[in-house]
Order: sequence, then structure tokens, then C-alpha cells
Amino acid sequence: DVKVTQSSRYLVKRTGEKVFLECVQDMDHENMFWYRQDPGLGLRLIYFSYDVKMKEKGDIPEGYSVSREKKERFSLILESASTNQTSMYLCASSLGTSGTVEQYFGPGTRLTVT
Amino acid sequence: AQSVTQPDIHITVSEGASLELRCNYSYGATPYLFWYVQSPGQGLQLLLKYFSGDTLVQGIKGFEAEFKRSQSSFNLRKPSVHWSDAAEYFCAVAPYSSASKIIFGSGTRLSIRP
Repeated sequence: DVKVTQSSRYLVKRTGEKVFLECVQDMDHENMFWYRQDPGLGLRLIYFSYDVKMKEKGDIPEGYSVSREKKERFSLILESASTNQTSMYLCASSLGTSGTVEQYFGPGTRLTVT
Repeated sequence: AQSVTQPDIHITVSEGASLELRCNYSYGATPYLFWYVQSPGQGLQLLLKYFSGDTLVQGIKGFEAEFKRSQSSFNLRKPSVHWSDAAEYFCAVAPYSSASKIIFGSGTRLSIRP
């Protein structure tokens, strides 16, 4: 079974803090993704990575950056957290080859910025 | 632009009753199609997927979905729901041309009446 883990289930940070959310997958997947999920807005893609050190902006990259130094690990960074970044953050991975594009999700991190 | 529509925001059915959740997509060609389920406070779990071939797809937990090209639909069904099926359900599409990225619908919340 594919396993995607996220470093924290719940996180509370103050406005202006630098926040790191980490995600690890154990299935040698090529692609990794970060989404945020908000009521009424569904899942919105922040960034994704299709290879080590490669990244591509998603639909809402403003205020976020990412890092992928190793294939299994994909980090989301909030350089200066703001209250409007309070949300559920979901990490996902996919194998990436033709016919295997389904994504596998971690349990999520609920981030509160006060 | 590709889009996914789940017209029902919230559905309530009685335990033991049948279920159908609607999903329509907008895309020029047949994309990859998925249904995911999310229990409260959890990540998304893949229920089933359609890539090609038989238009009736079987998934986990007794769910099935039928792809209808003429209607651009991919509705999820279950003949008899259980209280544990209460969750949010997401339909999703991945265009063949950009199969690494999945577009999610806004979700349908399912409640089960005892």
C-alpha cells in the first residue's frame, strides 16, 4: 500500500512566522503535490513537483514556496504566515507514468495562524 | 477549460437505501476519471478510477461508477449504504494531455439517516 505521511496533524502558528509542512511518500513516486482545502472551495493546487528539485506552480502559489531535495520528501513553506493561510493542507503523490496518474493522499495538516 | 461539476452539495439517505452521487465533467476528450472519499479530518482515499474499457467500474467498499460518454457523466453508486459511508465524496478528472494534474469537483457531503 502506498503510504503518504505528513509531519503534523495539527499546527498553530503566529502571524509572520515561517512555517514548514513536510510530506514523505514511501512508494518511489515521481510526482508530489500540495493542496489546500477550504469549505466551499474544494481542493486547490498550490505547487507540484515532477522530479527532484523540479517544481511547478499550481493555481494558488502566492505566499508559498516548496522544496524537493529528495524524491520521497516534499516540503511546503509559508515564508511569513498570515491568517488567511489558516486551512487544511493535503499532500499527495502519484507514480506519474501513463495509466497510473491516480494520486494518493496523506492525512492532512490543519494549520491555524493566529 | 476543464471542469468538474458535482451538482449536489449535501445528500441524506437512509441506512440500507441505494445511493447515486452525480458528477459531470467538461473536456473535449475522455479524461481519466476518479472518485475519492474523505472522512472527517482525514485525507482523501481513492474509491475507484476509470481509464478506458468497460464503462462500469467497480471500486472498494462496494461502490461502483458508470462512465457515460454521451452525457459526460461519471456517477457513483452503491446499492445499500451503511452508516460508515457518511463522508464527503469528490469526483475528479485528469486530462490525458496533462495527466499529472487532477482537477477535483467541489464535493458532495453524504449523511446517513439511521
